[in-house]
Amino acid sequence: EAGVVQSPRYKIIEKKQPVAFWCNPISGHNTLYWYRQNLGQGPELLIRYENEEAVDDSQLPKDRFSAERLKGVDSTLKIQPAELGDSAVYLCASSLDGRGYTFGSGTRLTVV
Amino acid sequence: QKEVEQDPGPLSVPEGAIVSLNCTYSNSAFQYFMWYRQYSRKGPELLMYTYSSGNKEDGRFTAQVDKSSKYISLFIRDSQPSDSATYLCAANYGGSQGNLIFGKGTKLSVKP
Repeated sequence: EAGVVQSPRYKIIEKKQPVAFWCNPISGHNTLYWYRQNLGQGPELLIRYENEEAVDDSQLPKDRFSAERLKGVDSTLKIQPAELGDSAVYLCASSLDGRGYTFGSGTRLTVV
Repeated sequence: QKEVEQDPGPLSVPEGAIVSLNCTYSNSAFQYFMWYRQYSRKGPELLMYTYSSGNKEDGRFTAQVDKSSKYISLFIRDSQPSDSATYLCAANYGGSQGNLIFGKGTKLSVKP
C-alpha cells in the first residue's frame, strides 16, 4: 500500500512569491491534515479535512494561506505571498479513525 | 503553557542502554497517547499507540501512560544505533474529537 505522498520534497522561493504543496493521502482515509513543523519543534496543525469539508482551520493564517481538498481525496496547500517566517516543513497526514495518523515525508520550504 | 510538554534533549546513550523518554500533558480530557519516531528529513512514523492509562509493549519498546499524574513515557530496551532519531509524544481526545497535539520532540543518539 502506498503511503501518504507529498510533492515537491523541497522548495526554495523568494519572499512575496506564491507556493503550493500537494498531498495524496492513503486510499480510503477520509481525514486529511496539514501540519507545519518548524526547526526543533513538533508539528502544529494548520487544517483538518473530513472528506472535502474543512472541519478545523482555526490555526490556518487565512490572510495568506489557503487549502482545498477537491473530491475528498488529494489536497493542495497554498501560500501567497510567502514570508521569511513561513520557512518550515509542511507535513500532510491522513487517518482512518482519527487516532493513528500516517504522515508523508513533507515539503521543506525555504523562503529567501 | 503548551498542552504537551517534552524535554527536547538531546539525549546521547551507548548502544545497549535502556532509554527513557518522557512527556507531560495538561489536558485531562486527552484519551489517546502516541509516540512517533522521526528520522532526519522524514515524516513522523507511528511507533506506539496507547488508550487511557496503562502499559503497552511492542518488542524493545514500552509505552506507559499515567493519567493521574498526566505523564507519558517511552522506554527503549537494548537501544541500537538505528534507534537514533527524534521521538515525538502526542495526545488527542480520540476519534473525530480534536487533533493530535505534539510535544517538541526529543533527539536521541545511540552511540555504537
